[in-house]
Amino acid sequence: NAGVTQTPKFRVLKTGQSMTLLCAQDMNHEYMYWYRQDPGMGLRLIHYSVGEGTTAKGEVPDGYNVSRLKKQNFLLGLESAAPSQTSVYFCASSTGTEGDEQYFGPGTRLTVT
Amino acid sequence: SQQGEEDPQALSIQEGENATMNCSYKTSINNLQWYRQNSGRGLVHLILIRSNEREKHSGRLRVTLDTSKKSSSLLITASRAADTASYFCATDSWRDDKIIFGKGTRLHILP
Repeated sequence: NAGVTQTPKFRVLKTGQSMTLLCAQDMNHEYMYWYRQDPGMGLRLIHYSVGEGTTAKGEVPDGYNVSRLKKQNFLLGLESAAPSQTSVYFCASSTGTEGDEQYFGPGTRLTVT
Repeated sequence: SQQGEEDPQALSIQEGENATMNCSYKTSINNLQWYRQNSGRGLVHLILIRSNEREKHSGRLRVTLDTSKKSSSLLITASRAADTASYFCATDSWRDDKIIFGKGTRLHILP
């Protein structure tokens, strides 16, 4: 099993450009999450999904959109990138069972100039 | 807003010594988890402790939970160079279906 994979690993965008980050998991997990990690800020939840076709806002959703059309994929979109969105983005998944651990992808390092 | 806050922010110890880091949280929790993050990598789950548990062990890891003080500690015994990483606590509650991470403790094991 590959676990949780993220595409791409690195990306540089110019302000105003758009892009989509792809997260895929092969563990048949119901729940999927997108976080951003900035120095000294820990992980902050952007959006999450508790099942195929559902999405919900997290702590810092502004400027991002998500879609969960297939159970194994969770897409994070930036419609008009801003320098403040320079960060490392992590995707995670879990079964959704109470107390279950989250499995993380390797991260995507995004720089917006 | 962050639920868990780790303390200290950074810790350097000699290899072989024990490392202790703490996590405090603000509201009632259901479970508390600890994760490790090696530089440039995703987080990896270490251990979970439930709100009705006071102590849990896993290999060289010992976790305690004091719900009256809303705090937890993670002890790594006989530290090794490979333990150099950032450690995060994460809490969940009955109120919602997501977990909240703290800002982490950076642990550096000196040779």
